Amino acid sequence: DAKTTQPPSMDCAEGRAANLPCNHSTISGNEYVYWYRQIHSQGPQYIIHGLKNNETNEMASLIITEDRKSSTLILPHATLRDTAVYYCIAHSNSGYALNFGKGTSLLVTP
Amino acid sequence: GAVVSQHPSRVICKSGTSVKIECRSLDFQATTMFWYRQFPKQSLMLMATSNEGSKATYEQGVEKDKFLINHASLTLSTLTVTSAHPEDSSFYICSARDSKKDTNTGELFFGEGSRLTVL
Repeated sequence: DAKTTQPPSMDCAEGRAANLPCNHSTISGNEYVYWYRQIHSQGPQYIIHGLKNNETNEMASLIITEDRKSSTLILPHATLRDTAVYYCIAHSNSGYALNFGKGTSLLVTP
Repeated sequence: GAVVSQHPSRVICKSGTSVKIECRSLDFQATTMFWYRQFPKQSLMLMATSNEGSKATYEQGVEKDKFLINHASLTLSTLTVTSAHPEDSSFYICSARDSKKDTNTGELFFGEGSRLTVL
């Protein structure tokens, strides 16, 4: 899996959009960009993934740059329950395990 | 959505005893499950890949005789921490993917985690 780089921490006001960046400049053509989050003392939760096109689901939107070297996860209206560590992972879907980096600790404040 | 269940969620044991953690896929079959370990304020570290009907594959530095993995059915994998010591205290998390889904579209589901404290 390609190395990903994320800021260690971010703050966001409740109700505002949270934009979490991820750099994956060495991503290969067959690697997807996955986002997971981990709320304290729980297992990771899948959020979204994409290859080239932008993706949106009920939880978030994923914007991938045209050169695929970076992406942004957008939580459109952050709530206090979105406080968690967010992991960006480049993964080739080979059936192997996901390798987690340090992620971004997002704190949503009232 | 698919659910992966772990049991127990918390366990406290004395040093030298063995502890078994179960990981079940509740509504799908998983030929492969993964076991992770997470120490406080650190990220998840892959310990081993559990394969149904065959031996597990361990990551470098993980003792296979200490962390026994059994994947006897398509919905159950167990991790046994043998002769546990305080340094084995950690948050153990399992994950699984639906074997019937294309790996390009099927996400990895994670259990709730099991917190082990060895006194």
